[in-house]
Amino acid sequence: QITLRESGPTLVKPTQTLTLTCTFSGFSLNTSGVGVGWIRQPPGKALEWLALIYWNDDKRYSPSLKSRLTITKDTSKNQVVLTMTNMDPVDTATYYCANRLLVAFDCWGQGTLVTVSS
Amino acid sequence: QSALTQPASVSGSPGQSITISCTGTSSDVGSYDLVSWYQLHPGKAPKLMIYEVSKRPSGVSYRFSGSKSGDTASLTISGLQAEDEADYYCCSYAGSRTYVVFGGGTRLTVL
Repeated sequence: QITLRESGPTLVKPTQTLTLTCTFSGFSLNTSGVGVGWIRQPPGKALEWLALIYWNDDKRYSPSLKSRLTITKDTSKNQVVLTMTNMDPVDTATYYCANRLLVAFDCWGQGTLVTVSS
Repeated sequence: QSALTQPASVSGSPGQSITISCTGTSSDVGSYDLVSWYQLHPGKAPKLMIYEVSKRPSGVSYRFSGSKSGDTASLTISGLQAEDEADYYCCSYAGSRTYVVFGGGTRLTVL
């Protein structure tokens, strides 16, 4: 059974850096073709893809957010970490991680709500 | 504004069929058979319903089907049930630079 769980702060101040961790089980990021991605959803708005990292350390970022994002993996801990710099209130959203076994986001975590406010 | 265009809402009665469209461009939907659909219920993890335009993951009801014509993909739900009421999002591969784009989402109401 594949599970993913997002963790991190629920509240960050404007200009701070957000660090989110995705802890997963049921698959390995050492397996060829496997990836883990981050997607967010601001309240009342649409899903927005943020970043992806693959088994071979190939990293992909949303062009509009690339300058603010870093995605890394720790295969020994079954974790993927996303950092987003210079947080703004418009970044308030539920942040999801999901795995990518097929050419899609196959299984998702429950998400974590991050609020940006002073 | 989302890269892929979906109707904001659709509705149908139990037992009916509905179709949700997802219009992109020749840079995404039109160029790749890599459209996926997701179901979002409040408070629950999003669920993959369709991948690669028309394939159903194990465990997804046969009532869900996908198709594509040109720059527009579609999700059809037949035999509507109350539990199908949710938000649905399409997603497409968009090439090596943009990579992944989502639609604006469609709220399905089962009357």
